[in-house]
Amino acid sequence: AQSVTQLDSQVPVFEEAPVELRCNYSSSVSVYLFWYVQYPNQGLQLLLKYLSGSTLVESINGFEAEFNKSQTSFHLRKPSVHISDTAEYFCAVHSSGGSYIPTFGRGTSLIVHP
Amino acid sequence: DAGVIQSPRHEVTEMGQEVTLRCKPISGHNSLFWYRQTMMRGLELLIYFNNNVPIDDSGMPEDRFSAKMPNASFSTLKIQPSEPRDSAVYFCASSSTGTVGNTIYFGEGSWLTVV
Repeated sequence: AQSVTQLDSQVPVFEEAPVELRCNYSSSVSVYLFWYVQYPNQGLQLLLKYLSGSTLVESINGFEAEFNKSQTSFHLRKPSVHISDTAEYFCAVHSSGGSYIPTFGRGTSLIVHP
Repeated sequence: DAGVIQSPRHEVTEMGQEVTLRCKPISGHNSLFWYRQTMMRGLELLIYFNNNVPIDDSGMPEDRFSAKMPNASFSTLKIQPSEPRDSAVYFCASSSTGTVGNTIYFGEGSWLTVV
């Protein structure tokens, strides 16, 4: 079985400040890890994912996440946020070789204040 | 390429009425998911189809809910009879399970309000 825990339901931050959204997972096998973003009134869309190789993965809009196997974490970071980053962020895990059904966390609402 | 297309985008209906939500997955994708999102329960997987066959429907809340996928390009989620507690955003999503670490592509959702 696999599970995902997003430790913060809401993260308020001021514009241009750094931010970290935390994600921990549990799985008995190797995993693929994802961050999805949901902007207001839209569906979820992929932000970035870790499949293998370099443990640091980046998105096109400045977010990055680091896979830490020993701590079973995949935290999402951005050094300087913009108002437009206000959204719900979902961490997801998908075990390799098993069901194709990913497990999503409960989501973290990132609120960027001017 | 067109993404996952859902209809209707918004629906307001009276308790007891039948509601049908529709989904057209991305062409070539062989997996389809129906999710429900509410403030209280977050994102819940209702049912998962692979190659048009329901594989896991353990998330379907009760017999009032049913889903079909008659072909690779169309799926429906039906609620009959609807109740106020069914009010939520319903997302359809698709993916190609032949790829490693497959990405799930979501539609924009159907916003259901049952009064």
